[in-house]
Formats: sequence, C-alpha cells, structure tokens
Amino acid sequence: DTAVSQTPKYLVTQMGNDKSIKCEQNLGHDTMYWYKQDSKKFLKIMFSYNNKELIINETVPNRFSPKSPDKAHLNLHINSLELGDSAVYFCASTPRGREGRNEQFFGPGTRLTVL
Amino acid sequence: SQQGEEDPQALSIQEGENATMNCSYKTSINNLQWYRQNSGRGLVHLILIRSNEREKHSGRLRVTLDTSKKSSSLLITASRAADTASYFCATGPYNNNDMRFGAGTRLTVKP
Repeated sequence: DTAVSQTPKYLVTQMGNDKSIKCEQNLGHDTMYWYKQDSKKFLKIMFSYNNKELIINETVPNRFSPKSPDKAHLNLHINSLELGDSAVYFCASTPRGREGRNEQFFGPGTRLTVL
Repeated sequence: SQQGEEDPQALSIQEGENATMNCSYKTSINNLQWYRQNSGRGLVHLILIRSNEREKHSGRLRVTLDTSKKSSSLLITASRAADTASYFCATGPYNNNDMRFGAGTRLTVKP
C-alpha cells in the first residue's frame, strides 16, 4: 500500500530515557515533516526536511534530533525524555519542495507517553 | 508563528443538518487547506482553496475564502454520523511549502 507509515504506534517510557520514532513514505515525496499534537489537539510543526535537507526547526529543544537517511525516511530521536514530551507525534509528507500548493499526507501517529 | 484558528472549538448537530466551521488566520497566504482527523488517526486532506479563489466545492463540502477578512469557512451539508471528526484548517505561506495548523473544530453528528 502506498502511504506514510510510522513505528511504533504506541510508546510508553520513563523520564530520562532516549527513544526513536521512525517514519517512511513510499509516495516519492520530496518533503517530510514532524508534527506534535498535544492533549488539546493543537498541531504544531516541529521539523521540515526537503530532499534530506533540514528546512524548518521550529524552536524545538535540541533533545529532539531528526534524521533523514534518504528521501523516503525521516526519523525522530528524542533524548532525555520529559513529562511534557507526552503527545501524539505525526509524520507527514508532501510531493514538492517549495511551491506551497500541495496537500500533506499524514502517518497514523505515534502516541508517546512519558511516565 | 501559528496560523489557522478554528471556530467553534466544538460543534454538535443532528444527522441531516448542515455544519459550518470557520477559520481565521493572520498573514498573507498562498492557499488554505482543510483536513479531517478521525479519533486516533492521522489527518486527511479534504480540500484546498487558492488565495485567488473565493469558493470551492467537493461533494458535500463547500469552502469559502475571504482574503480581505483573512477567514475561511467549511460547510458540510446533509451531515452524517460518519462526519464526526475534528476539522483543521491549515494555511500555506507564499515562500515555502510548510503549512500551519490550528487546534481544530471537534464536530459531533448525532444519528
């Protein structure tokens, strides 16, 4: 199936741990994103990558480090997890780089719970 | 900075009624998009309206855009229980491909 996929779907961990979330898209898109959706459903962009190049870093703590090994993958590594990191993290992709005219395709989300 | 603030935050209607959701934004845009999010799922694109368009239709969806007021509305006609979801507007600036989302309107359609 063509889609944006994320793993894991659920992640429960202790404060202070380091964890990673993986994202893959097989849509051939150039641009990928990470979003954070908090408990109030507010969806906030974290990072944007275009062809493996970091485009946006929206004042996210440097405990969060995205990595794009190739155009189809954008992983999110989080160090020293804090309670406030608990949220649903969405990966998304869009077909073209800089035209601002295209829809975004979202993954199913990863629900991160930090205890 | 965040764009796209939806209003109301929550809306509850009966099946068959129309649902109207509004979105306001702050800066110039290239386009405005509406997305739907079912509970526990990712967002799904519904419709895109460009800054030079005033109205667009897609099935039971009607979107309007008023760039002078920096606002948009999404109308869902003849609503169904399956329309129950959160609806987000997202704005696309001129200079890049990155959308800004609001907190959404939670729509409940009662059967």
